[in-house]
Amino acid sequence: GAGVSQSPSNKVTEKGKDVELRCDPISGHTALYWYRQSLGQGLEFLIYFQGNSAPDKSGLPSDRFSAERTGGSVSTLTIQRTQQEDSAVYLCASSFLDRGGWVMADTQYFGPGTRLTVL
Amino acid sequence: QKEVEQDPGPLSVPEGAIVSLNCTYSNSAFQYFMWYRQYSRKGPELLMYTYSSGNKEDGRFTAQVDKSSKYISLFIRDSQPSDSATYLCAMSTYNQGGKLIFGQGTELSVKP
Repeated sequence: GAGVSQSPSNKVTEKGKDVELRCDPISGHTALYWYRQSLGQGLEFLIYFQGNSAPDKSGLPSDRFSAERTGGSVSTLTIQRTQQEDSAVYLCASSFLDRGGWVMADTQYFGPGTRLTVL
Repeated sequence: QKEVEQDPGPLSVPEGAIVSLNCTYSNSAFQYFMWYRQYSRKGPELLMYTYSSGNKEDGRFTAQVDKSSKYISLFIRDSQPSDSATYLCAMSTYNQGGKLIFGQGTELSVKP
């Protein structure tokens, strides 16, 4: 079946512009995660969704970052007034929600990422 | 200090060598330990998953967790050029909703 898909694969923008990054999770996966991967920094957690709710937004770096998820499926990460330090690869992952309603550390399937460059 | 520390390498070994990759961590609440492999310009893929302490083996790969020392390892036996990638350790607690905390990643190159 289809894996996690992300679009665009690459995005070059000018400082101060807004960008939207899209994630299509694996069908049926109720949990969705956004991570950011900067050179030499590894992956940093940004936000996760259970269904359309975001119980943990603790990783969003500033109020310029926001995310939403609709219909328990597609998610959009929006970065307003982009800065050069926002340049990174933005990765999305999805997983199942276990029967108890807790999203345990189940297998997270990652998409290929969106490479964002802010000039 | 980061919650999870991983030597970024790069690490270069000859084909057939045994590779040892390691991470240390500071949060004693971590219970789930994972190793991901990431090829260039691709998303990470899960290699090994371990709950709590102990060893787990899958083919040429062995994962070890020592919670008393807050130390995890991944061993790759009979390494192949196709194993050349970045290896990321990741950890989670039960009540963090599956949120993973990653190490920096170690870049491995296996030379034929």
